[in-house]
Amino acid sequence: NAGVTQTPKFQVLKTGQSMTLQCAQDMNHEYMSWYRQDPGMGLRLIHYSVGAGITDQGEVPNGYNVSRSTTEDFPLRLLSAAPSQTSVYFCASQSGGLPYEQYFGPGTRLTVT
Amino acid sequence: KNEVEQSPQNLTAQEGEFITINCSYSVGISALHWLQQHPGGGIVSLFMLSSGKKKHGRLIATINIQEKHSSLHITASHPRDSAVYICAVRLSSGSARQLTFGSGTQLTVLP
Repeated sequence: NAGVTQTPKFQVLKTGQSMTLQCAQDMNHEYMSWYRQDPGMGLRLIHYSVGAGITDQGEVPNGYNVSRSTTEDFPLRLLSAAPSQTSVYFCASQSGGLPYEQYFGPGTRLTVT
Repeated sequence: KNEVEQSPQNLTAQEGEFITINCSYSVGISALHWLQQHPGGGIVSLFMLSSGKKKHGRLIATINIQEKHSSLHITASHPRDSAVYICAVRLSSGSARQLTFGSGTQLTVLP
C-alpha cells in the first residue's frame, strides 16, 4: 500500500493563479480531509469528505474547493491564489471504524507571491 | 483561547534525558491522539488514547480524563527523537471524525 500520496511536494504560484493539489489513498477509506499548517498554529481543517460525492467545509474553507468523485481521490483546488494561502497543506484519510486512525500524506509546501 | 494547549512550545534536551510533553484541553473528548512530525514534514500517528496509559518502545502516553490532561513521555531520549510532537483531540460532540490540533512542541535532542 502506498498509503496517502500528495502531489506536488512544492509549488510556487503568483497571486491570482489557480491550481489543484492532488491527494489519493489506496486504503479504501471513506473519510478524507485537507488541512493547512501555518507557523505557530495547529493544523486547521479546510474541507473534508465522508465518502464519494459528499464534501463539507471545515474551519478555514474560503478560497478552496474540493470534490470527491471516487473513494480514492480528493483534490483541493485553489481558485485564485492569495499570499495568505502560503502554507503547508496536508491531506489525510481515516480508517472507517474506531479508533478512526488518521493517515497523513507527505504534504505540499505552497508559496504564493 | 485554543481548545488544545501544549507545553512547552520548544524543548531542548541532552541525549539520554527523560522528556515530558504536556497537552491540556478544555472540551469534552472521546479520544486524544499524539502525532509526530519529522523535519522532512511527514506526520505519523504515535498513539490514540481514550483512557489510561499506552507504551510503545521508549514512548509512553498517559491521559487523565477528569483533569483534561495528557502527557507524552520519552525515556532515554535520542537525537532521532527530534521532531515536532502534536496533540490532537476528537471532540465528544459534533463530528466524531474531526480532530482539533494543538500547535505542537518542537523537541530537539542534542548528542
